[in-house]
Amino acid sequence: DAGITQSPRYKITETGRQVTLMCHQTWSHSYMFWYRQDLGHGLRLIYYSAAADITDKGEVPDGYVVSRSKTENFPLTLESATRSQTSVYFCASSEGQGALYEQYFGPGTRLTVT
Amino acid sequence: AQKVTQAQTEISVVEKEDVTLDCVYETRDTTYYLFWYKQPPSGELVFLIRRNSFDEQNEISGRYSWNFQKSTSSFNFTITASQVVDSAVYFCALPSGSARQLTFGSGTQLTVLP
Repeated sequence: DAGITQSPRYKITETGRQVTLMCHQTWSHSYMFWYRQDLGHGLRLIYYSAAADITDKGEVPDGYVVSRSKTENFPLTLESATRSQTSVYFCASSEGQGALYEQYFGPGTRLTVT
Repeated sequence: AQKVTQAQTEISVVEKEDVTLDCVYETRDTTYYLFWYKQPPSGELVFLIRRNSFDEQNEISGRYSWNFQKSTSSFNFTITASQVVDSAVYFCALPSGSARQLTFGSGTQLTVLP
């Protein structure tokens, strides 16, 4: 199916473990984004990518790593998970320049770090 | 810095009532875009509208309408004849950081009661 998918949808991990959240889009959109959503903070940008092999930090990048070797994939890795990284993570894509165009969001990954 | 304020944290209405969600923004840009997104109970974020600051005409799409007033830095969203399916969290957003990031308001939880 066309669209943007995230996996896993739910994940429980322990403090200190490495976790990778996957994001895949079928539109060939150039821009992709990772957000986290927390009560009291709304949606905050972690990282974004303007194209394959081009990534940049957002508002809250510490503790996260991204890569984009292919246009359609934009994985997010928590190198050593902490409890403060318990959140709902959304991936999004956009065909236009950065945040000037509408972004299409994946269904989200609910991550719990114990 | 860009800022989006949604002062209404929660609104509850009875079905068929009209409801307006407020959005006030701050920006130093002379031209900019504004967005509204909907997050239903299922969790995904759905794009509703993108508005260019050049165009101050009201936008209407079915039961949805948007009132953009540059003079008061507001971009309010009205749902006419609300329905239970309109129950969701609604976010207003504004690009920032050289248009690379989308700054979201904290959201308004709308509950439409049958």
